[in-house]
Amino acid sequence: KNEVEQSPQNLTAQEGEFITINCSYSVGISALHWLQQHPGGGIVSLFMLSSGKKKHGRLIATINIQEKHSSLHITASHPRDSAVYICAVLRASGSRLTFGEGTQLTVNP
Amino acid sequence: DTEVTQTPKHLVMGMTNKKSLKCEQHMGHRAMYWYKQKAKKPPELMFVYSYEKLSINESVPSRFSPECPNSSLLNLHLHALQPEDSALYLCASSQGWFSNQPQHFGDGTRLSIL
Repeated sequence: KNEVEQSPQNLTAQEGEFITINCSYSVGISALHWLQQHPGGGIVSLFMLSSGKKKHGRLIATINIQEKHSSLHITASHPRDSAVYICAVLRASGSRLTFGEGTQLTVNP
Repeated sequence: DTEVTQTPKHLVMGMTNKKSLKCEQHMGHRAMYWYKQKAKKPPELMFVYSYEKLSINESVPSRFSPECPNSSLLNLHLHALQPEDSALYLCASSQGWFSNQPQHFGDGTRLSIL
């Protein structure tokens, strides 16, 4: 079992829909990252969380440390949101990020 | 525009060639990373430099040789690569080595080995 599990693996939505991507982890962490990767390859850091909730534009990220679970929400989705979304955790023991397998999101017009 | 610049964006090389990948950041970050990413897989850590010293080598084959000439630059020297080394190579930087600060990624170099 992977230490970081994401669901779903693939997600197709219509423009305007509300989207949720989930991340569960099994290790103690000091922070959790949500990353976005477009087909060209570059990775953008969307959020870094250690507790609670963060919002940036149409994106919202939440984390429940007790349940070892985080969610990334996208409101009013748009085709330009189509990308791979990756959850990555920084272990409490430090030293490296552990990545989930990613969620491929496709938003159709 | 990314704050971490990687060159070249694409590289095709034969198995006997020697080439280098370059990464540059001017954010004053003291930690820099090389990752390898195969298609439809998450990035895999290769190397970490902290304050220009190699801190982590994830058992990477010696045909990959990292170099950090100064705090802004990170190179990856390539020699005698194998076809399975074809991948996207990503550079990243952060204020400190896996500190609670986000990593900033470059756009990557897409490497193809003939």
